[in-house]
Order: sequence, then structure tokens, then C-alpha cells
Amino acid sequence: EDQVTQSPEALRLQEGESSSLNCSYTVSGLRGLFWYRQDPGKGPEFLFTLYSAGEEKEKERLKATLTKKESFLHITAPKPEDSATYLCAVQAGYSTLTFGKGTMLLVSP
Amino acid sequence: GAVVSQHPSRVICKSGTSVKIECRSLDFQATTMFWYRQFPKQSLMLMATSNEGSKATYEQGVEKDKFLINHASLTLSTLTVTSAHPEDSSFYICSARDQGGINQPQHFGDGTRLSIL
Repeated sequence: EDQVTQSPEALRLQEGESSSLNCSYTVSGLRGLFWYRQDPGKGPEFLFTLYSAGEEKEKERLKATLTKKESFLHITAPKPEDSATYLCAVQAGYSTLTFGKGTMLLVSP
Repeated sequence: GAVVSQHPSRVICKSGTSVKIECRSLDFQATTMFWYRQFPKQSLMLMATSNEGSKATYEQGVEKDKFLINHASLTLSTLTVTSAHPEDSSFYICSARDQGGINQPQHFGDGTRLSIL
């Protein structure tokens, strides 16, 4: 059974304080790992797809990396508008997405 | 970017009412759409996979007669919660995947907050 564990559950940062979110996964035959951002009362917003170990993707202050067991979402010099819940999901073979429970990020000014 | 529109955003209705939720892909064609349910501080729970022109595939424990899914075109899927009861109150979210392939990401609507009195 595919499993996705995200840590920490919640993270509080000061504006400008860089940090990383972790997504550990157990899956047979990873086809893709996806990062989403979800604001309260909204649907998830797609951020990145990573397909193979060693791959990295960047978008503004966010950088996602992938190994064979985990993915990290690095946030550099975050701003209050980066506050959201960040979801990680994996897809194995032709199966559907398996989501983690998310990391709730709060960035204080 | 890919846009998925979900309507309505919020529904409040009496117990026993049936509620229809629409999910549209606005700028791409979606062979496959997905319906999720999300409880507070929990992850998204897949309810069913909707394929255009065929019957939906329901996840274990999801009643197909309770949650009717129709995917009549490449841009529209609907979820009807029949005879809704308070325990059906939840946040329902749809997503659509570009028909470009299974490696394409799912794009999500903004969800429907369903409250049954």
C-alpha cells in the first residue's frame, strides 16, 4: 500500500527565515511526486511534479527536490503570502494519487 | 495555466435534499476527473474516478447510489449527493487531468462546502 508522510504537521516561521518541509513516501514504482499548495477553503493549487531521484524544480521562493525515499520543499526567505498548507502526493503506476496530510505553514511578518 | 471551475462553492440545505455539484475544465479537455472529500485538518480522500463516456470507479466504502457521478463530456463532470444527511456535510473537491497523459498533474477546483441541516 502506498504511503505518504509529511513533516512537520505545522511550521511557524518569521518572514525571511528559510526552512524545509519533508515528504517521505513508500510506493512501488513511483511514476510521479506532486506538490500542491492549499489555502483555507480552497482547492489545492499545483506547484511541481518530480519524476525521478535527483530531479529539482524551482518556482520563485520554492524549490522541490526528490530522492528515492523522500522529497523536500525548500522555502527561501518566505513571505507572509507563502502561508498555506502544502500537500505532497505520489502516483504509482496507473493508480490514483495518494496524498499526505500536509504541512500547515504560517509565516509571520 | 489549467483551470478547473467548481460550482457551487457553498450549499446549505435540509436533510433529504439531493445536491448536484458541477466540475468543469475550462481550458483543457479532461478524459478523467476525480472527486475527493476532505475533512478538517485531514488529507484529501478520493471518492471516485470519473471517465468520460463510461461508468465511474468508486473507492472502497463509497456508496455509488449515494454519490452519483456523471461525466458526459470532456469538460464536465457532476457529482450528485442523493438524499443528503448531516453526516454528508463536508468539503467536496473535484480535479481534472489533462488528456495529455497519466503523468500530467491533476488540477483542482476550489471545492464545495456542503452543509446539511
